[in-house]
Amino acid sequence: EVQLVESGGGLVQPGGSLRLSCAASGFTFSSYWMSWVRQAPGKGLEWVANIKHDGREAYYVGSLRGRFIVSRDNDKNLLYLQMNGLRAEDTAVYYCATRVTIFGPVINRYFQDWGRGTLVTVSS
Amino acid sequence: QSVLTQPPSVSAAPGQMVTISCSGTSSNIGNDYVSWYQQLPGTAPKLLIYENDKRPSGIPDRFSGSKSGTSATLGITGLQTGDEADYYCGTWDTSLGAWLFGGGTKLTVL
Repeated sequence: EVQLVESGGGLVQPGGSLRLSCAASGFTFSSYWMSWVRQAPGKGLEWVANIKHDGREAYYVGSLRGRFIVSRDNDKNLLYLQMNGLRAEDTAVYYCATRVTIFGPVINRYFQDWGRGTLVTVSS
Repeated sequence: QSVLTQPPSVSAAPGQMVTISCSGTSSNIGNDYVSWYQQLPGTAPKLLIYENDKRPSGIPDRFSGSKSGTSATLGITGLQTGDEADYYCGTWDTSLGAWLFGGGTKLTVL
């Protein structure tokens, strides 16, 4: 059974940093692209970042590029999100998800499995 | 405001059918596969439909997806109170170089 368990959320002051982790089990972690998706309170889903299965490429939503860094440790089956310069508008539940990516005439991509999320609150 | 446009809410009676639309452009829906996600109250999102019209294992055939041009549609038949949730469409936008979610549609089963 696929399990994704996020941790590391909490209360942080504006301008501060936080590192989220996502522990993966039940599948071959090193074979999957992984993603972070967030959801502000009462709002919709927002894609944050993707990282390739080998960790060599990462992609971010434009508004977060430069502040957030996604990384992974395939030996430990862990996904990370380093968040710097946090702002009130970064307050959200952060989910990690497996990102199926199948290359073909049209790239087939979707989020297959999701963790329960970890809440990040940015406030003074 | 989301690039992918969904109605904020839809409602129908138990046993009835409902459709949820997702409207985009040639740089997103018109150029890529669409997936749909169900988010029950207080829970994480769950994959409902992928590759426009395919259901993952365990998703009942009451749920269906379709795509035509720059729009996609999620259909739910035989509505149950347990289907009350927020539903999101999603796809890649080649112009933005980013994954997009629709704004979400809240389904109420009256």
